[in-house]
Amino acid sequence: QSALTQPASVSGSPGQSITISCTGISGDVGVYNSVSWYQHHPGTAPKLIIYEVTNRPSWVSHRFSGASSGNTASLTISGLQAEDEGDYYCTSYTSATTLVLFGGGTKLTVL
Amino acid sequence: QVQLVQSGSEVKKPGASVKVPCKVSGDTFTNYGINWVRQAPGQGLEWMGWISAFNGNTNYAQKFQGRVTMTTDTSTSTAYMELRSLGSDDTAVYYCALRLAGILPYYMDVWGKGTTVTVSS
Repeated sequence: QSALTQPASVSGSPGQSITISCTGISGDVGVYNSVSWYQHHPGTAPKLIIYEVTNRPSWVSHRFSGASSGNTASLTISGLQAEDEGDYYCTSYTSATTLVLFGGGTKLTVL
Repeated sequence: QVQLVQSGSEVKKPGASVKVPCKVSGDTFTNYGINWVRQAPGQGLEWMGWISAFNGNTNYAQKFQGRVTMTTDTSTSTAYMELRSLGSDDTAVYYCALRLAGILPYYMDVWGKGTTVTVSS
């Protein structure tokens, strides 16, 4: 199975909003509500920032939000801050042979 | 709280095998499923597979089928990922991760710090 497709990079200035897309979500998303997003800084463990398409863990800023439409999920970060810089990955749980698919990752640069 | 404890690093020669441990502390081991995710230098995160600590059921990513085995030891609350026939492209940081709310890998909210595996002659 192919990985989910994300843009290789996005950028924005402090205070702006950016959106990262994740294409290739299967129809299982509607069944399992299973898109999640992770923030990853080099040398540290990945951090869950969105689960079940739109839910935010308690430790995540309200500036992070998730959505999905058709076969595309998206992560929006509003009020960009320097600390948001890093790599972002989407994942989807499916009922196919391989249970979990990762996107290729998007590098966010805060200008 | 639930924590995943991973060892620091391993160095292996090409063609060898590596068995990476991941110890679960802070709660009942069999409540969880353990995912294994790796990141090679300059590459993205890659899901390798999952094992249920409850009943040992596994699911491996197609790429690794036939070369990976995931197991658990309930007496020590430790999950293991064994990867065989190592090549230089298996040089990576290997993470274990789980979902606090249940066994199936819908998402992963607790992560280990990773084990660095270096494959070099």
